[in-house]
Amino acid sequence: ETGVTQTPRHLVMGMTNKKSLKCEQHLGHNAMYWYKQSAKKPLELMFVYSLEERVENNSVPSRFSPECPNSSHLFLHLHTLQPEDSALYLCASSHRTGDTYNSPLHFGNGTRLTVT
Amino acid sequence: RKEVEQDPGPFNVPEGATVAFNCTYSNSASQSFFWYRQDCRKEPKLLMSVYSSGNEDGRFTAQLNRASQYISLLIRDSKLSDSATYLCVVKGLGNEKLTFGTGTRLTIIP
Repeated sequence: ETGVTQTPRHLVMGMTNKKSLKCEQHLGHNAMYWYKQSAKKPLELMFVYSLEERVENNSVPSRFSPECPNSSHLFLHLHTLQPEDSALYLCASSHRTGDTYNSPLHFGNGTRLTVT
Repeated sequence: RKEVEQDPGPFNVPEGATVAFNCTYSNSASQSFFWYRQDCRKEPKLLMSVYSSGNEDGRFTAQLNRASQYISLLIRDSKLSDSATYLCVVKGLGNEKLTFGTGTRLTIIP
C-alpha cells in the first residue's frame, strides 16, 4: 500500500452519532492535514499536524476533534454534527522543513460524509 | 475579493482543441503557485508547479504574471482524459497555508 489512504470512503451519520475518520500515509512525510471540500467552494484547511503536534486550527467548531498519534496516522473524531457539515473530507500529507510546508500535497481519496 | 479566483466553467471543448484558463490571486506577496487536477469523485493531485519564467510539461504550459496577479494554464491537443476540474493553488512565504481556488471544470468532447 502506498500513498495516503482514508477510511471509510462513505459515511452517513445522524446528528447525535459519534464517528471517526481515519487517515494513514506511507510516504514518510512529517506533516498531515485535514481539508473540507463542499460543493462549489474551495478546499478549506481545517487542521495541520507536524510531528504529531497540532500547528494550525482554522477556527473549526469543537464538534470536529483531530488526533495524531504518530507521524503516519491522523484521525478526525466527529460528534453532534450538523447537516451543513456534509462534505468530502480529505486528508493530505507533505514534507515540512523547518517552518516551511513543502508542496506537493499528497491527498487521500477522501471520506464522503452525509449528516442526516 | 476572493483570495484565489477561478472561472468555474464548465468549459466544453472538442478533442484536439487548445484550451486556456486563468486564475487571479489577491495577495501580492504570494510566492508559490500550482495547478492541481481533480477527477470526478477523486482526490486532487499536483499537475504542475508554476515558475516565474513559465514552464511547460508536454501539452501543458503554465504562466505567471506577477504584475497582473494571475496564473494561466494552457492545454494543447486536448485529450478525453484531460476532462477534470483544475484547481489553482497559491502559497505565501514560509509556513503559510496553501489557498485553493474553487476549480475550473473542463470537459473534452469526442
